Amino acid sequence: ILNVEQSPQSLHVQEGDSTNFTCSFPSSNFYALHWYRWETAKSPEALFVMTLNGDEKKKGRISATLNTKEGYSYLYIKGSQPEDSATYLCASYWAGGTSYGKLTFGQGTILTVHP
Amino acid sequence: GAVVSQHPSRVICKSGTSVKIECRSLDFQATTMFWYRQFPKQSLMLMATSNEGSKATYEQGVEKDKFLINHASLTLSTLTVTSAHPEDSSFYICSARVTSDPSYEQYFGPGTRLTVT
Repeated sequence: ILNVEQSPQSLHVQEGDSTNFTCSFPSSNFYALHWYRWETAKSPEALFVMTLNGDEKKKGRISATLNTKEGYSYLYIKGSQPEDSATYLCASYWAGGTSYGKLTFGQGTILTVHP
Repeated sequence: GAVVSQHPSRVICKSGTSVKIECRSLDFQATTMFWYRQFPKQSLMLMATSNEGSKATYEQGVEKDKFLINHASLTLSTLTVTSAHPEDSSFYICSARVTSDPSYEQYFGPGTRLTVT
């Protein structure tokens, strides 16, 4: 069974702070890494899909990096705002084995941004 | 664009009854739809993958006869929990993808909270 680990489990920051969290995954046969933002009572929203080692993607104040050789991705939020409060999920695909074609999710990082 | 609806959002049913949950892609055609289940404080666990017109592929440990999945069209998939029991109480969420390529994002519904009494 391939596991995706996210840390920390939860995070409280003040408005204006920059923050980052980690997603770790087995690097063997890696295919793609997804990040989603999930606000309470809403649908998870896709933020990024990354496939290549060294990929960096940015959407507004949020950016992500990917290291496929060591099996981790970082998500950064610059100048956090209360509306960034959500659970951030990462999920990975691998190219072979029993996990092929299926997203395996981490448990998520719950971010709370205090005004 | 890329909106997925899921209905109902909450359902309470009695033990032994069946419950149907609908997942619709509103503004795109979904080659593949997925059904996940989430227990408290745990990650989303894939239950099954369905392709339009084909039988669903169930994950190990998921009972096919209990969780019936039908993907009748490119915009609709249904999950029926048959003879529900309290241990089936959970949060069920669907997602859809426009291609079979896993490097494309999935679009999620808002989920269904099932409570079996």
